[in-house]
Amino acid sequence: DGGITQSPKYLFRKEGQNVTLSCEQNLNHDAMYWYRQDPGQGLRLIYYSQIVNDFQKGDIAEGYSVSREKKESFPLTVTSAQKNPTAFYLCASALAGGGEQFFGPGTRLTVL
Amino acid sequence: QKEVEQNSGPLSVPEGAIASLNCTYSDRVSQSFFWYRQYSGKSPELIMSIYSNGDKEDGRFTAQLNKASQYVSLLIRDSQPSDSATYLCAVTIMNRDDKIIFGKGTRLHILP
Repeated sequence: DGGITQSPKYLFRKEGQNVTLSCEQNLNHDAMYWYRQDPGQGLRLIYYSQIVNDFQKGDIAEGYSVSREKKESFPLTVTSAQKNPTAFYLCASALAGGGEQFFGPGTRLTVL
Repeated sequence: QKEVEQNSGPLSVPEGAIASLNCTYSDRVSQSFFWYRQYSGKSPELIMSIYSNGDKEDGRFTAQLNKASQYVSLLIRDSQPSDSATYLCAVTIMNRDDKIIFGKGTRLHILP
């Protein structure tokens, strides 16, 4: 089955910890994206990558980091510098930048 | 002016009626337009894409695009309770590195 997977589904973090959210796709898409969604709010772009070994900051990149070493994978690290990380994190991919984006099931991160 | 605007709702529509969801955008050179459905606690699901002026129909869904008025809409015919969700409008902003900008969504409630 082709698709996008995210893990874990739920994640709990203590203050001061870094955590990494996984995103994998087997759709052979070049572009991948990370969004954050807060209750009652729209999607805010954190980072995106249009090709392997290259990525760009989105609108709210502070406190986050990413890597794109493989076409299939685009992990997001939420660092301790992110002061309010509790949110629903969504990974998406597209055949190319600007095209239809398809979303993974999301990871819900809670800071304890 | 916000780049993509939607009425947050909730929009309440009787079962069997037509639900009409509207979206306006600010970038005159935008070329790609998308509608996503998001159920509570779930990730967005792409339901329609439209690229040229006019109507595009897919089952009970019709997307309408008017580039001159910078307006895109989604009509849902024969509304069902399962259509109750938040509908996100998304637009590709051509001068923003082909990123997709999402509206905050309209909550739709189908009354049984």
